[in-house]
Amino acid sequence: GAGVSQSPRYKVAKRGQDVALRCDPISGHVSLFWYQQALGQGPEFLTYFQNEAQLDKSGLPSDRFFAERPEGSVSTLKIQRTQQEDSAVYLCASSLQTDQPQHFGDGTRLSIL
Amino acid sequence: SQQGEEDPQALSIQEGENATMNCSYKTSINNLQWYRQNSGRGLVHLILIRSNEREKHSGRLRVTLDTSKKSSSLLITASRAADTASYFCAINYNTDKLIFGTGTRLQVFP
Repeated sequence: GAGVSQSPRYKVAKRGQDVALRCDPISGHVSLFWYQQALGQGPEFLTYFQNEAQLDKSGLPSDRFFAERPEGSVSTLKIQRTQQEDSAVYLCASSLQTDQPQHFGDGTRLSIL
Repeated sequence: SQQGEEDPQALSIQEGENATMNCSYKTSINNLQWYRQNSGRGLVHLILIRSNEREKHSGRLRVTLDTSKKSSSLLITASRAADTASYFCAINYNTDKLIFGTGTRLQVFP
């Protein structure tokens, strides 16, 4: 289908390892968002891109979190030196413009042991 | 916190009944959106209502917005077992990002 695709669907890593999560948005969508969702909670905003520009990264929990979207399409969320509290589902969403409905991928479930 | 507060946290009903869930927020908004999330899946957009709108419909869904009370409600009529999911309001506070509420877990029994 032509929806938002995220990979991997599940990722298990040992504490201290680095991980990279990929998001492939809907073609032509200018805006791309990353969210973190803890079990039983609503998604929490991490960062936002408009094309290749990262316009808001106010939700990133620490400097261990880094996101990029170098060509304005695929985006990668990287977490360095993972800690147990990083365990969550990471959701990616894209939209035509910022005030339009967002289309979500199924997320990556990250477990840090 | 600007997070939307939703109630109830959980709701159990029989098929055919109506389900109403509410969302309250803090300051002026650009728009408010409702999303559904099935277990283990991403969120699916349901309805977007702008600050100058009072009511919107989509199939069995009706959303109202009361800016004087800073609240919105989502009504699902004639519910079906397939409506079982978590429902979230998401608020756009005149910025680029959405602030999601705490969610309502809806269980519809056949």
